[in-house]
Amino acid sequence: DAKTTQPPSMDCAEGRAANLPCNHSTISGNEYVYWYRQIHSQGPQYIIHGLKNNETNEMASLIITEDRKSSTLILPHATLRDTAVYYCIVRNMNYGGSQGNLIFGKGTKLSVKP
Amino acid sequence: DTGVSQNPRHKITKRGQNVTFRCDPISEHNRLYWYRQTLGQGPEFLTYFQNEAQLEKSRLLSDRFSAERPKGSFSTLEIQRTEQGDSAMYLCASSQTQRARKFFGPGTRLTVL
Repeated sequence: DAKTTQPPSMDCAEGRAANLPCNHSTISGNEYVYWYRQIHSQGPQYIIHGLKNNETNEMASLIITEDRKSSTLILPHATLRDTAVYYCIVRNMNYGGSQGNLIFGKGTKLSVKP
Repeated sequence: DTGVSQNPRHKITKRGQNVTFRCDPISEHNRLYWYRQTLGQGPEFLTYFQNEAQLEKSRLLSDRFSAERPKGSFSTLEIQRTEQGDSAMYLCASSQTQRARKFFGPGTRLTVL
């Protein structure tokens, strides 16, 4: 079962920051927070991941709260091409087998509007 | 293009027929995964390979499903005696190691009539 809770949908104006929240209150110490997105009719695409510290890459920033029970994915300047379903996933990196695999929930459908 | 490729992209079949899908992972990736995704849901794990060894199968993978990766490169997923409930997107992903990020292919959309 997915260990995360995300809002089912969000809207964002083009050019504005999109802030996608995720709750993972039962996360354990060795579980990472991963974000993937899935644009319509494509396979999921990796965005970013983190353990404790905030992370930033060319696509997005990930802010993890100090207690690690929630996180926010930030797309700093959303474009129409960022319209997609965004999945927040917690993943145990210390186990092999399916425990190390990705367990997807339903994600947040982000609609970027002109 | 050096990403993960899947063929065919779409497959329409009649109930009871057998279908086979192919996945070509990124060449240096030794881990290959199959997922299934139904409408409105996130992808669900089916099985994975490390090189040619199939190391785990989800309980979603009934005995009508079989997956192979004979030389540790491409993989095939076969569904025998298809049922309407098998209609879904079948996604393949690969990664270099267990911990590395996964790269997904575009998927094969199966419709069983």
